[in-house]
Amino acid sequence: DAGVTQSPTHLIKTRGQQVTLRCSPISGHKSVSWYQQVLGQGPQFIFQYYEKEERGRGNFPDRFSARQFPNYSSELNVNALLLGDSALYLCASSLLTGGKPEAFFGQGTRLTVV
Amino acid sequence: GQQVMQIPQYQHVQEGEDFTTYCNSSTTLSNIQWYKQRPGGHPVFLIQLVKSGEVKKQKRLTFQFGEAKKNSSLHITATQTTDVGTYFCAGVNYGQNFVFGPGTRLSVLP
Repeated sequence: DAGVTQSPTHLIKTRGQQVTLRCSPISGHKSVSWYQQVLGQGPQFIFQYYEKEERGRGNFPDRFSARQFPNYSSELNVNALLLGDSALYLCASSLLTGGKPEAFFGQGTRLTVV
Repeated sequence: GQQVMQIPQYQHVQEGEDFTTYCNSSTTLSNIQWYKQRPGGHPVFLIQLVKSGEVKKQKRLTFQFGEAKKNSSLHITATQTTDVGTYFCAGVNYGQNFVFGPGTRLSVLP
């Protein structure tokens, strides 16, 4: 079985641009979460989606938005990019049921804003 | 909001020495999970602790969950160079949201 896949793996954008990151969860997983990891820090929670509905939102500005599709894949959009948005963006999928809430992370998308 | 702290931030040990990292949450948790992230990699799930006072072992790794379900520890016995990486705890609240600690970066000198 394939793990969590994210695309693209690396991305360079300029300030003010918009970016869309994509994530495909593990087959059968209905929950997808997005995290931002700045170098040297722990992942910071951005969004969680379950069954196509937003279940949680972290302390991020409205420039960040996400959605989940009927096949449970997800997109994270960031508008009006700032230099401080440069980070590793991680997607994690989980079952959230059956007593197995552990998150399985993708390899991440490394976004550089210049 | 919920905050999760970890100490120490960095730990350098000689191969064969023991290592412990501590995790503290500002709020009572539903469960706590531990992840390991190798340099350049992504977090990989290690274990989940659910019950108050729970202790779990995985070979040389011992995980504990505090009685109040607000703190946890990870202890590695006789470290090896393969243990190098950053260890994160993630506090899971009753809304099923993860709050990661800042991590403890372990380096092991051969």
